Amino acid sequence: SQQGEEDPQALSIQEGENATMNCSYKTSINNLQWYRQNSGRGLVHLILIRSNEREKHSGRLRVTLDTSKKSSSLLITASRAADTASYFCATDGYTGTASKLTFGTGTRLQVTL
Amino acid sequence: NAGVTQTPKFQVLKTGQSMTLQCAQDMNHEYMSWYRQDPGMGLRLIHYSVGAGITDQGEVPNGYNVSRSTTEDFPLRLLSAAPSQTSVYFCASSYGPDGDTEAFFGQGTRLTVV
Repeated sequence: SQQGEEDPQALSIQEGENATMNCSYKTSINNLQWYRQNSGRGLVHLILIRSNEREKHSGRLRVTLDTSKKSSSLLITASRAADTASYFCATDGYTGTASKLTFGTGTRLQVTL
Repeated sequence: NAGVTQTPKFQVLKTGQSMTLQCAQDMNHEYMSWYRQDPGMGLRLIHYSVGAGITDQGEVPNGYNVSRSTTEDFPLRLLSAAPSQTSVYFCASSYGPDGDTEAFFGQGTRLTVV
């Protein structure tokens, strides 16, 4: 079952613009992560934000978390063609023996020159 | 530094055949997982392991077996392939539970069952 849902499903912007992706989830979490997937490749970890954090930065990435609204956003500033990829949010959930990730369906970002 | 290595990258199977997808990591991670990714969906957890000799089921375990005899390797076995198992399979490893820490993913195995 999907815990997170990203919005929009697809986003097309021009190089230099900012890209914002949103993630909503259903149940309480301890952590939320964002991953990037280039076409035909594996996922790459971008950032982890804990439930007691409201905002986190990493280079051109800014992630916010609003636990009262059960939502998170990923902002990529000054986007580049190399940012073209799918972006997934993933929340933690306890399966019985370990805390595991549950992924959303992803946002496909296209950055054009 | 290889990270997580999956083999093969591509595979075509006939219905009813069996095969093993290989996954190896060189980061001495205790936690390893198998996910499948279908079009328009996020990754879904098949099986995972919290250490050598310890495995558990994820969200979609039916039709798959795993074992973990070493820290480095976590193979996924398809016992009798079905068209519904056509998917891209990803192996991941992490230092701690991947709900709590960064997970490292392999490049994936694209499996087609005809």
